[in-house]
Amino acid sequence: DIQMTQSPSSLSASVGDRVTITCRASQTIGNYLNWYQQRPGKAPKLLIYATFTLQSGVPSRFSGGGSGTTFTLTISSFQPEDSATYYCQQSHTPPNTFGQGTKVE
Amino acid sequence: EVQLVQSGADVKKPGQSLKISCKASGYSFISNWITWVRQMPGGGLEWMGMILPRDSDTRLSPSFEGQVTISVDTSLTTAHLEWRSLRASDTATYFCARQSTRGELDYWGQGTRITVSS
Repeated sequence: DIQMTQSPSSLSASVGDRVTITCRASQTIGNYLNWYQQRPGKAPKLLIYATFTLQSGVPSRFSGGGSGTTFTLTISSFQPEDSATYYCQQSHTPPNTFGQGTKVE
Repeated sequence: EVQLVQSGADVKKPGQSLKISCKASGYSFISNWITWVRQMPGGGLEWMGMILPRDSDTRLSPSFEGQVTISVDTSLTTAHLEWRSLRASDTATYFCARQSTRGELDYWGQGTRITVSS
């Protein structure tokens, strides 16, 4: 299985902060990397797919980057509604594993 | 509009069987993989497996092999996740999600909370 490791596990942000979350894969996955946001008690929501592409309706302050084994999710200007847990997921090879999550408060 | 609507919460005893469902609408059901994801209380997302309704091709995570069965009923555009003998450690919320042709999970069900307790 491909292991996905996110860092940090949690972070505290203030309104307007630039926030970056890193996701590392145990082997190369091309650009088959997706990001999800999950608020408490809710289903996850797709934010970014194929490393860079913003899902329709997602605010432009979210962006994705990276390649190979190291990827990032960036929030350019943190807003209160961005408080959530964020997960990366590889869809290169089944099982399509998730990272352990990063809680942003 | 694409929708995935899951069956309701359930409480079971250890050793009992259970089958939960995920009803899809708003797209061609046979064309996209349906994925199941587990989230244990206070935990992260775990990819369990996926099924392609067109031919019932199934891929299960080794962590769930022999523990669950994934199936579909194409006439009802519904996917199922089934246990023959539940354990307390199966207590979790289970999500179904549609996988796009690119591989991301673009639409999610609302989740089904399962509690297994004696």
